[in-house]
Amino acid sequence: EVQLFESGGSLVQPGGSLRLSCAASGFTFSNYAISWVRQAPGKGLEWVSAISGSGSRTYYTDSAMGRFTISRDNSKNMLFLQVNRLRAEDTAVYYCTKMSGRFYDTSTDPIDYWGQGTLVTVSS
Amino acid sequence: QSVLAQPPSVSGTPGQRVTISCSGSNSNIGSYTVNWYQQFPGTAPKLLIYNTDQWPSGVPDRFSGSKSGTSASLAVSGLQSEDEAHYYCAAWDASLNAWVFGGGTKLTVL
Repeated sequence: EVQLFESGGSLVQPGGSLRLSCAASGFTFSNYAISWVRQAPGKGLEWVSAISGSGSRTYYTDSAMGRFTISRDNSKNMLFLQVNRLRAEDTAVYYCTKMSGRFYDTSTDPIDYWGQGTLVTVSS
Repeated sequence: QSVLAQPPSVSGTPGQRVTISCSGSNSNIGSYTVNWYQQFPGTAPKLLIYNTDQWPSGVPDRFSGSKSGTSASLAVSGLQSEDEAHYYCAAWDASLNAWVFGGGTKLTVL
């Protein structure tokens, strides 16, 4: 059974930093790209960042570029998202999601599994 | 504002058939397949339909997907109270080089 478990979310002041983690199990981790998708309170879904199965390719939405860094440790089946210079509009539940292929940018390989999410609240 | 446009809400009575629309453009739905996710309050989304009209294991065939041009639809037949949830469409967008989502549609069973 595919399982994704996020951690690391908390209340942080504007301009602060956090490191989100995702522990994966139930599948061959290095064979699949992983994405972070966020959902602001009461709002829809927004893709934030992704990383290929090997970790050689990374992808970011414009708002995340330069502030967020995605990485993975395939030896430990772990995914990370370092988020810096946080803004109020980054407040959201951050979901770790498994893509159904090795790369993020394959149009026929969508997200097929989601973690339960971790809440990041940016407020003073 | 979401790249893919969905109605904020739809409703129906038990047993009825309802459809949820998802409107895009040539750079997303017009060129690529569409996926649908179901989300109950306080829980993570779940893949409901992939590659426009395919079912993941365990999804009842009361749910069906289709596409025409730059629009897609999710149909729910034999509506049940347990279908009350939010539904999101998603597709690859070649112009943005990103997966994009619709704003979500709340399905209410009256």
